Amino acid sequence: GENVEQHPSTLSVQEGDSAVIKCTYSDSASNYFPWYKQELGKRPQLIIDIRSNVGEKKDQRIAVTLNKTAKHFSLHITETQPEDSAVYFCAASIRPSLMGGGNKLTFGTGTQLKVEL
Amino acid sequence: DAGVIQSPRHEVTEMGQEVTLRCKPISGHNSLFWYRQTMMRGLELLIYFNNNVPIDDSGMPEDRFSAKMPNASFSTLKIQPSEPRDSAVYFCASSFTSGSSYNEQFFGPGTRLTVL
Repeated sequence: GENVEQHPSTLSVQEGDSAVIKCTYSDSASNYFPWYKQELGKRPQLIIDIRSNVGEKKDQRIAVTLNKTAKHFSLHITETQPEDSAVYFCAASIRPSLMGGGNKLTFGTGTQLKVEL
Repeated sequence: DAGVIQSPRHEVTEMGQEVTLRCKPISGHNSLFWYRQTMMRGLELLIYFNNNVPIDDSGMPEDRFSAKMPNASFSTLKIQPSEPRDSAVYFCASSFTSGSSYNEQFFGPGTRLTVL
């Protein structure tokens, strides 16, 4: 099955700096890569996703890049703010039609991001 | 829409007792997922359903765990008998899947289970 590795496990940055979180996946059939943000005591929430036909996607201060050849993808947060402090999870999914319906997500182990004032 | 609804939000029970967690997916969604989150193991998929049919239960840890989805608006995750190592936050999530398209999985608020 799919295996997703995520690094680093913790990341501390100064407010205004950039933060980068990296993930690798094992199954070359995976072609959907969402990122979730989980604040303390809350549920995971989708912040951005990318599909395999796209190399980069940007949404305001957040961007995700995908390298299918190397099987890795990254989350970039620019101009970090204290409210960006949370745990971030990457995930990978195989096309639903290959799995009999529904897109099963395999999650990375999470990155605790702390933005310091 | 109220989003994914889970109950109870907190459950404290003693080892050996039966525990039933409940989930109501977002109306119109046809895929439902049960996850377990712990510090040691992170976010693990236990089982997921598509159109009320279990598709993949390979993440269910052992026979003490079972899940059902009797209709499109309700699912249960049962642990019997419960053990202290089952203590975790259990999330239910739902999404709409059509063909080979991807859609966001929406998570419920979770059930924090403590087994003493």
